[in-house]
Amino acid sequence: ELKVEQNPLFLSMQEGKNYTIYCNYSTTSDRLYWYRQDPGKSLESLFVLLSNGAVKQEGRLMASLDTKARLSTLHITAAVHDLSATYFCAVDTTTSGTYKYIFGTGTRLKVLA
Amino acid sequence: DTAVSQTPKYLVTQMGNDKSIKCEQNLGHDTMYWYKQDSKKFLKIMFSYNNKELIINETVPNRFSPKSPDKAHLNLHINSLELGDSAVYFCASSLRTGSAFFGQGTRLTVV
Repeated sequence: ELKVEQNPLFLSMQEGKNYTIYCNYSTTSDRLYWYRQDPGKSLESLFVLLSNGAVKQEGRLMASLDTKARLSTLHITAAVHDLSATYFCAVDTTTSGTYKYIFGTGTRLKVLA
Repeated sequence: DTAVSQTPKYLVTQMGNDKSIKCEQNLGHDTMYWYKQDSKKFLKIMFSYNNKELIINETVPNRFSPKSPDKAHLNLHINSLELGDSAVYFCASSLRTGSAFFGQGTRLTVV
């Protein structure tokens, strides 16, 4: 069974600091997704990583994918309070020709002023 | 324009009741999903439909019955609600590959 694990589960950090969230998955997949969820809200797509070595950046967030290591990272640079949210990685896998998304456990990020 | 819309947003009901959640997407996607998010924020897929056909049923109790009248709609009917069904239910849609787009969620509370 495909498993997707994130660490840390909880992250409290000071504004201005850097940190990395890790996402490991247990089966071969070339596609990995990062989502953000604010409390009580829906999931918002942040990044789509479609191949080995892919790197995407948006503002203070940068995501990368190493399909050989089955590892993706989400790096936060100079954190600000507005980045406080829960971050999920997800891997897609095929079943009967249709894709489904398996989500990681989520990382709850709190940025302290 | 809302891409994936679910109704209702909140649902409070008694044990044993039957309830439905509706979902519609206007993105032209061919695949729609139901996900359940529990109190610990874990997201678990329940069902996947592709072009109105059920593709994935992730060992969900028979009390849960999805219905897709057309590609743009995927509804979820739940019979004989139990306390353990309390969760947030998300509808989502996607093309065959690429990001899934999520609805705003339905917070179901069974009392």
